[in-house]
Amino acid sequence: DAGVTQSPTHLIKTRGQHVTLRCSPISGHKSVSWYQQVLGQGPQFIFQYYEKEERGRGNFPDRFSARQFPNYSSELNVNALLLGDSALYLCASSQVRVGNEQFFGPGTRLTVL
Amino acid sequence: AQSVTQLDSHVSVSEGTPVLLRCNYSSSYSPSLFWYVQHPNKGLQLLLKYTSAATLVKGINGFEAEFKKSETSFHLTKPSAHMSDAAEYFCVVTPGVDYKLSFGAGTTVTVRA
Repeated sequence: DAGVTQSPTHLIKTRGQHVTLRCSPISGHKSVSWYQQVLGQGPQFIFQYYEKEERGRGNFPDRFSARQFPNYSSELNVNALLLGDSALYLCASSQVRVGNEQFFGPGTRLTVL
Repeated sequence: AQSVTQLDSHVSVSEGTPVLLRCNYSSSYSPSLFWYVQHPNKGLQLLLKYTSAATLVKGINGFEAEFKKSETSFHLTKPSAHMSDAAEYFCVVTPGVDYKLSFGAGTTVTVRA
């Protein structure tokens, strides 16, 4: 079975631009979460979506938004990019909302110049 | 609120010697605790998890961790390090009521030949 997939693998943007990152969960998983991992730090929770509804949001500005589609894939959007948004963006999926293991994708490396 | 403190940012061991990675947590609820490993340019992989069953948890690749409520600790150990264990390790906590994972800052493990 395919694991969690993310696209693109790498992305370079300039300040002020916007970006869309995509995630496909493991088949049968209905929950998708997004995390930001800045170099040298642990991942920080951004969003959780379950059954296409936002169920949790971390301490990130409104420039960050996300959505989940009927097939449970998800997009993370970031507007008005700042240099500090440079990070590895990780997507994780799970079968249920609470208690089960989250399976992580390989991430999208975003560089903002 | 929940948080995790990984007491060592870097651990260096010789191949064949024991590995100890220390983690303390705080949580308002009965927590679930995890250890994840991240190899360079790869996604996060679950090593083991504690979810209020046995306090000594065995994981993959010979790793185990012991949940000590009185000490609020969840230290990770392995009896004999292998070169392939060189990676970044994250201690993670989530309370029983939502699914937001809170990661520690990580411990970098170096294995000397």
